Amino acid sequence: AQKITQTQPGMFVQEKEAVTLDCTYDTSDQSYGLFWYKQPSSGEMIFLIYQGSYDEQNATEGRYSLNFQKARKSANLVISASQLGDSAMYFCAMREGSFSSGSARQLTFGSGTQLTVLP
Amino acid sequence: GAVVSQHPSRVICKSGTSVKIECRSLDFQATTMFWYRQFPKQSLMLMATSNEGSKATYEQGVEKDKFLINHASLTLSTLTVTSAHPEDSSFYICSVQGAHEQYFGPGTRLTVT
Repeated sequence: AQKITQTQPGMFVQEKEAVTLDCTYDTSDQSYGLFWYKQPSSGEMIFLIYQGSYDEQNATEGRYSLNFQKARKSANLVISASQLGDSAMYFCAMREGSFSSGSARQLTFGSGTQLTVLP
Repeated sequence: GAVVSQHPSRVICKSGTSVKIECRSLDFQATTMFWYRQFPKQSLMLMATSNEGSKATYEQGVEKDKFLINHASLTLSTLTVTSAHPEDSSFYICSVQGAHEQYFGPGTRLTVT
């Protein structure tokens, strides 16, 4: 089974509007972390936001917020006031296990959503 | 500033030759580094986990004799693509785990002709 599922291969949004990118995950771990990365055409992976499984509040970072619904195992990214520079590929990723465990764990990525912001 | 660097950023090589890609952790020591591969319009797939002072752990389907990993110090891991073929053309990206975040290098775009 897919551990991270992004069901929207492509999304369009009008400039200045908000957009939600969907992400669902599957894990049996109690402790895990969820990440969103932006990948422009240059290829670099730009960290956007992180949500820990025990965090009670939804994470926010500027125009980015993560709608974390633990029971539904979803971690949707909301981008408010879209800008033309937001056009890029967006990846949802999960790290199973706790950061505090001291061991490094890899990220598992979803298939990505290509976001295009229209002027 | 950058936390992880990669060199080279782009390389073109002929089929049958070997290519070495370096990944450096600039801000902290990393006993573990991860190597990912990304084919065009696809997601990042973990290739291997590089462990300082010991053998790398490879994901299923990744040939360890073809993708040689050396993690000789706490700040440097190298990935050598041996006897490269056109199907090895891809974007190779390394990452290092920080306190609460995974840091990625800028990636290396390999083209094998």
